[in-house]
Amino acid sequence: AQKITQTQPGMFVQEKEAVTLDCTYDTSDPSYGLFWYKQPSSGEMIFLIYQGSYDQQNATEGRYSLNFQKARKSANLVISASQLGDSAMYFCAMRVGRGYQKVTFGTGTKLQVIP
Amino acid sequence: NAGVMQNPRHLVRRRGQEARLRCSPMKGHSHVYWYRQLPEEGLKFMVYLQKENIIDESGMPKERFSAEFPKEGPSILRIQQVVRGDSAAYFCASSPEDRDNQPQHFGDGTRLSIL
Repeated sequence: AQKITQTQPGMFVQEKEAVTLDCTYDTSDPSYGLFWYKQPSSGEMIFLIYQGSYDQQNATEGRYSLNFQKARKSANLVISASQLGDSAMYFCAMRVGRGYQKVTFGTGTKLQVIP
Repeated sequence: NAGVMQNPRHLVRRRGQEARLRCSPMKGHSHVYWYRQLPEEGLKFMVYLQKENIIDESGMPKERFSAEFPKEGPSILRIQQVVRGDSAAYFCASSPEDRDNQPQHFGDGTRLSIL
């Protein structure tokens, strides 16, 4: 069975600084995908970034990058130049295998950006 | 708005009543997923549907809960004889197909409150 672990319930970061949100995963299947979603206080779920297990390079999307360390089974989200609007819950998620597999979510990290 | 549409945004029911939650996927998406989010927790998978078919309902309680995605119209998550423990945010997500790297795009959720 697959498992996603986010060990940081809450994080603070100064505006304009970079922050890393941790995510570790556990699966024995060599084929999997990792996702990060943002959930602001308004409640919607916003897709941020994707990393495939066979991808050779770390994924990047604007100010978001994924620090993918396959041997350590970690997929940390790095947000550069934090903005006040980045304050939100962040969820790491994983789907395993080829074809249909349900997505498993972590428990989330609440990020607060301080002016 | 071309995104996933969920309604109502908020729903209040008394114990024993029925709750019907609707989800219209993004245009061109034929895969629908329902998730439940309890307060201060991550999303838990409930059910995965394609048009007129339930593919995976392993996360859905066996009693009182049902889901459908008819040929025409939105997907419906139905909760009969609601209890206080059903209070949660229910999210619908959709994707165009079930490829490994396809993110699921989420609606804004329905907040269900049971009195």
